[in-house]
Amino acid sequence: ETGVTQTPRHLVMGMTNKKSLKCEQHLGHNAMYWYKQSAKKPLELMFVYSLEERVENNSVPSRFSPECPNSSHLFLHLHTLQPEDSALYLCASSQEGSPEKLFFGSGTQLSVL
Amino acid sequence: GNSVTQMEGPVTLSEEAFLTINCTYTATGYPSLFWYVQYPGEGLQLLLKATKADDKGSNKGFEATYRKETTSFHLEKGSVQVSDSAVYFCALRGGYNKLIFGAGTRLAVHP
Repeated sequence: ETGVTQTPRHLVMGMTNKKSLKCEQHLGHNAMYWYKQSAKKPLELMFVYSLEERVENNSVPSRFSPECPNSSHLFLHLHTLQPEDSALYLCASSQEGSPEKLFFGSGTQLSVL
Repeated sequence: GNSVTQMEGPVTLSEEAFLTINCTYTATGYPSLFWYVQYPGEGLQLLLKATKADDKGSNKGFEATYRKETTSFHLEKGSVQVSDSAVYFCALRGGYNKLIFGAGTRLAVHP
């Protein structure tokens, strides 16, 4: 497989559940990103990992917890989410220092009930 | 801080119509500017870019010119096709590992 792969494609969870989103890239990149896409709002950068170190955390609530075990994998652990967290969560990767060459996955559509 | 503002969609056009999607930005200095496109069920992909004032980015018949005097980077295409139906995002480089995006503009092209 090539490119950036996200699983699951769709996720429905209750506010008390714990779930994880997974992202895997096969492009040899060393920077990975989580973005949140909500209707009629700017695409929101949540976290950036560069060389497996978290370098950006844009005031994201602690109910979102990222993990980057190696340069090919990125997770977003979710717990006690709110209905307003329902959105499309996009993973992306690039070479470190080259965010203009982002490659995106197809996203996980999350619904919080 | 840095930000990007796009015209609110949806934009609905007939095939072969002329397309303009407006984008303006607020930034310190003169950052690189980008247009990304998101086709249904897919992630975003880079459409075109411009790295300095007066540069024109172009790809697949789309064009955008970096205008520093109006802080704009409007996307244009002379004749749209049904296959151009997608969501278009304007973005600027906001840091070493950071792209800042607008809210996206949905384009629907009808035969």
